[in-house]
Amino acid sequence: NAGVTQTPKFRILKIGQSMTLQCTQDMNHNYMYWYRQDPGMGLKLIYYSVGAGITDKGEVPNGYNVSRSTTEDFPLRLELAAPSQTSVYFCASSYSAGMGQGDEQFFGPGTRLTVL
Amino acid sequence: QQQVKQSPQSLIVQKGGISIINCAYENTAFDYFPWYQQFPGKGPALLIAIRPDVSEKKEGRFTISFNKSAKQFSLHIMDSQPGDSATYFCAASRRNTDKLIFGTGTRLQVFP
Repeated sequence: NAGVTQTPKFRILKIGQSMTLQCTQDMNHNYMYWYRQDPGMGLKLIYYSVGAGITDKGEVPNGYNVSRSTTEDFPLRLELAAPSQTSVYFCASSYSAGMGQGDEQFFGPGTRLTVL
Repeated sequence: QQQVKQSPQSLIVQKGGISIINCAYENTAFDYFPWYQQFPGKGPALLIAIRPDVSEKKEGRFTISFNKSAKQFSLHIMDSQPGDSATYFCAASRRNTDKLIFGTGTRLQVFP
């Protein structure tokens, strides 16, 4: 199992450009999440999905969009990049929520995004 | 009420010493408290977790202590090793929900 994979690893965008961060998991997990990590701020939830076709906003969704057409993939779209979106982005997945061992979230290696 | 407050922001410990990281929460509906470990350039990984029906959970050198009345929980790393140098995040979530609320992280450095 590859676990959770993310592409690209690094990206530099100009203000106003768009891009999609890719996330794939091969563990057949129902739940998937996108976080951003800023220094001294911990991890903030952007969007999450409880299954194919179902997505919901997290704590900081403005400026982002997601889709979940398959169980495996959960891409994050930035439409009009802004310097405030400079961050490290992590995708995660879990089997279920509130079900004991299934609570563990498995994280990808992250995408470091810089918007200039 | 959704916050999880973590301290200290950074911690320097000598090899063999005890590292202690503290977290506090307000929402009494939280019932799952994991700790995640993150090495530089990597994603966080679950280290140990506890539910409020017990006051302590130990896995090897790592122990979570939980104080339900004070709404606090802490991570203790016994016999700290240089390989433990990482950033540690506490988190909390409510029963049967899918959202973790993370603390702001503690950067631990263990020197030989």
